[in-house]
Amino acid sequence: AQSVAQPEDQVNVAEGNPLTVKCTYSVSGNPYLFWYVQYPNRGLQFLLKYITGDNLVKGSYGFEAEFNKSQTSFHLKKPSALVSDSALYFCAVSPTGGSSYKLIFGSGTRLLVRP
Amino acid sequence: EAGVAQSPRYKIIEKRQSVAFWCNPISGHATLYWYQQILGQGPKLLIQFQNNGVVDDSQLPKDRFSAERLKGVDSTLKIQPAKLEDSAVYLCASSFWTGANTGELFFGEGSRLTVL
Repeated sequence: AQSVAQPEDQVNVAEGNPLTVKCTYSVSGNPYLFWYVQYPNRGLQFLLKYITGDNLVKGSYGFEAEFNKSQTSFHLKKPSALVSDSALYFCAVSPTGGSSYKLIFGSGTRLLVRP
Repeated sequence: EAGVAQSPRYKIIEKRQSVAFWCNPISGHATLYWYQQILGQGPKLLIQFQNNGVVDDSQLPKDRFSAERLKGVDSTLKIQPAKLEDSAVYLCASSFWTGANTGELFFGEGSRLTVL
């Protein structure tokens, strides 16, 4: 079955420190990978995606993610966290192939950046 | 550019009652999605439309949920009768359709349903 795992319910980090939010996936073929962020009472916002090419992709608000095919992982990273980064982060995959396109989401990781 | 519009933002009903949610996607977006997000979980796809046709409704509980997109623009999701476990945020999203997976879905702010 196709699935996405975010092993940490919450990640705590001090402002200015680097952060990592983990994601692993189980999807056949070469899926497309995404990160979305959700602020309180707001819809999900696209952060970044990996389709092909360089394993390190850069996205909005200084975030980046590293694709590792052998480990089937797509961890979200940021060199220096801000308090305003505190939000709920979702990893998602889109299986390639076929005529339909959809996103399969992980359960989410709450990021808390303390001042 | 206007975003994805959803209404109502909040709805409280008793079990066995019915409810309907409305979504207006971004202009020009051919693909529309309804996701269900239960507290503490990631969004789960309920139904996907391409223009006014259904592409995927494999996870839609068809005995109580229905959705339509008659003119290929706005869409309505209905629940009848509602159960306690339907309490969730219902997210509408839209995207361009280019014939290839581009990845970016644009989400509305969601409609929060509480079933008592």
